Amino acid sequence: GQNIDQPTEMTATEGAIVQINCTYQTSGFNGLFWYQQHAGEAPTFLSYNVLDGLEEKGRFSSFLSRSKGYSYLLLKELQMKDSASYLCAVRRNYGQNFVFGPGTRLSVLP
Amino acid sequence: DGGITQSPKYLFRKEGQNVTLSCEQNLNHDAMYWYRQDPGQGLRLIYYSQIVNDFQKGDIAEGYSVSREKKESFPLTVTSAQKNPTAFYLCASSIYRDGGLLNTGELFFGEGSRLTVL
Repeated sequence: GQNIDQPTEMTATEGAIVQINCTYQTSGFNGLFWYQQHAGEAPTFLSYNVLDGLEEKGRFSSFLSRSKGYSYLLLKELQMKDSASYLCAVRRNYGQNFVFGPGTRLSVLP
Repeated sequence: DGGITQSPKYLFRKEGQNVTLSCEQNLNHDAMYWYRQDPGQGLRLIYYSQIVNDFQKGDIAEGYSVSREKKESFPLTVTSAQKNPTAFYLCASSIYRDGGLLNTGELFFGEGSRLTVL
């Protein structure tokens, strides 16, 4: 079956660091993606991991451990505009389609 | 500018009516997808298509139909057989990843269509 888990909600303070975890069990794996989605808007691509390790892009980093079925998204120097939902998604081997987790709603407080 | 256009943005429908949501892309992407998003839930795959004139059912295809007559277009019809059609519908496209590492093949999304059944 397909199962992706994320915390439902998180709260953090402006300027702080937050880590959003994602665990997955899917039939086939061909990459893990993180997307940001502001309320009422379309998701936008943040990061991609296909090999184990850390990928850094400015204030955002993403980590993957394929053997553990685990990833996290790290957001540094939080800003108010980072308040959004963060979606973890796995691309399956066959069919090139993607399965999404429920999303984590992050609230950044002043 | 390249992108994905969905229309209409908001749509109201009476029970028992079919409705078609439009999705057009000018990114020259081979693969296109339809997802449904409900409050508190992740995106669920309805249908996807990797090439023209071919498409596959996703996880929740019942009550929906699609066509892929042109590379640029992937319309979704929500039929009266769909029991709970009120939702936010997202169309997406991606490069069909050939296994190379030169591109990530991430999804590009349209702005979404919010369907409400009255």
